[in-house]
Amino acid sequence: DAGVTQSPTHLIKTRGQQVTLRCSPKSGHDTVSWYQQALGQGPQFIFQYYEEEERQRGNFPDRFSGHQFPNYSSELNVNALLLGDSALYLCASSLLQGASTDTQYFGPGTRLTVL
Amino acid sequence: GNSVTQMEGPVTLSEEAFLTINCTYTATGYPSLFWYVQYPGEGLQLLLKATKADDKGSNKGFEATYRKETTSFHLEKGSVQVSDSAVYFCALSDRGSSYKLIFGSGTRLLVRP
Repeated sequence: DAGVTQSPTHLIKTRGQQVTLRCSPKSGHDTVSWYQQALGQGPQFIFQYYEEEERQRGNFPDRFSGHQFPNYSSELNVNALLLGDSALYLCASSLLQGASTDTQYFGPGTRLTVL
Repeated sequence: GNSVTQMEGPVTLSEEAFLTINCTYTATGYPSLFWYVQYPGEGLQLLLKATKADDKGSNKGFEATYRKETTSFHLEKGSVQVSDSAVYFCALSDRGSSYKLIFGSGTRLLVRP
């Protein structure tokens, strides 16, 4: 049973560019959440997708956007990259529909470096 | 709003020592509580969880008890190993915020042989 997968593993971009990160949830899960983890800090919630819609959003600017596909996979897009966007981006999946628990399982992350 | 506070690290222990990492929380509802572990260069792995007051989560020798009266969820292990060296994150989630996870700042544990 495959866990949460993310691609790419590492990415280097320059300021002003745009980036797309991808996530495939754990088999049987229907919800994807994205988190940003700056170096030496705890992860910060960006947004959550369920049934192809953004269900909740954290305190991140509109430059951060996302999408969920019918197969539950998800993309995170960041426009007009800033140096401060350099971080580890984590995807987490969970089961919302009919679930009795709210446990989220994380992928290995994508390390984004903005130069 | 909801928040999680963890003890500052790093915590440095000798192998086979007893471990405690303190975690307290603030929440308006009835959150679920989690400990995640992050090894160098990796994502987060769920270590254990508790979903209601007085529940005890346990895994791989680690334990934590959901204490509503003290709003705490301290992580303990009786005998640490070098392989336990990692960063440990306490987190909470609740239905009122669509189960988004709120994390503490993390505590780095270093176990010496």
